[in-house]
Amino acid sequence: IAGITQAPTSQILAAGRRMTLRCTQDMRHNAMYWYRQDLGLGLRLIHYSNTAGTTGKGEVPDGYSVSRANTDDFPLTLASAVPSQTSVYFCASSATGSMNTEAFFGQGTRLTVV
Amino acid sequence: SQQGEEDPQALSIQEGENATMNCSYKTSINNLQWYRQNSGRGLVHLILIRSNEREKHSGRLRVTLDTSKKSSSLLITASRAADTASYFCATAGDFGNEKLTFGTGTRLTIIP
Repeated sequence: IAGITQAPTSQILAAGRRMTLRCTQDMRHNAMYWYRQDLGLGLRLIHYSNTAGTTGKGEVPDGYSVSRANTDDFPLTLASAVPSQTSVYFCASSATGSMNTEAFFGQGTRLTVV
Repeated sequence: SQQGEEDPQALSIQEGENATMNCSYKTSINNLQWYRQNSGRGLVHLILIRSNEREKHSGRLRVTLDTSKKSSSLLITASRAADTASYFCATAGDFGNEKLTFGTGTRLTIIP
């Protein structure tokens, strides 16, 4: 069982380009999340989805969009990348949307926007 | 804004000693969770304590929660070099505010 798979592992992206970070889980979890991790700021929630077909905004949603067409996949799209979006991005999932259970994290995508 | 703030930001101790990390948060919670992150890796769940619990144990880990002070502590006993990592607390709100919000973390270094 793979758990959560993120792709790519790392990427260097020119400013202004569009980029989709992929996230797939095989645990049939209802809830999925995207965080960004920056030095000194910990993890900040970008977007989340409590169940397939629904999404919500987190703490830092501007410049990002998500979709949840099915239970397994939760892609994060940067429509027009800017240098301030340079970060490490983590996808996570949990069994329920109420966060009464632990979250499982992917290994992260290191994104550099130049 | 961060819901949880860990203290200290960095901690170095000798192998075999106990390590204590603290977390303070701002709003009411459903539960508080502790995670560990090795360098360059994703976060791994350690322990979850619910708002009606005061203490919880898991192996060498002991977590306490004081909802009146909005604070929690993580104690790692008999530390090992392999415990070197960053540790994060995360809070989950009640229904309608269920997002898992992380603090800024404590970087723990165990000196062999």
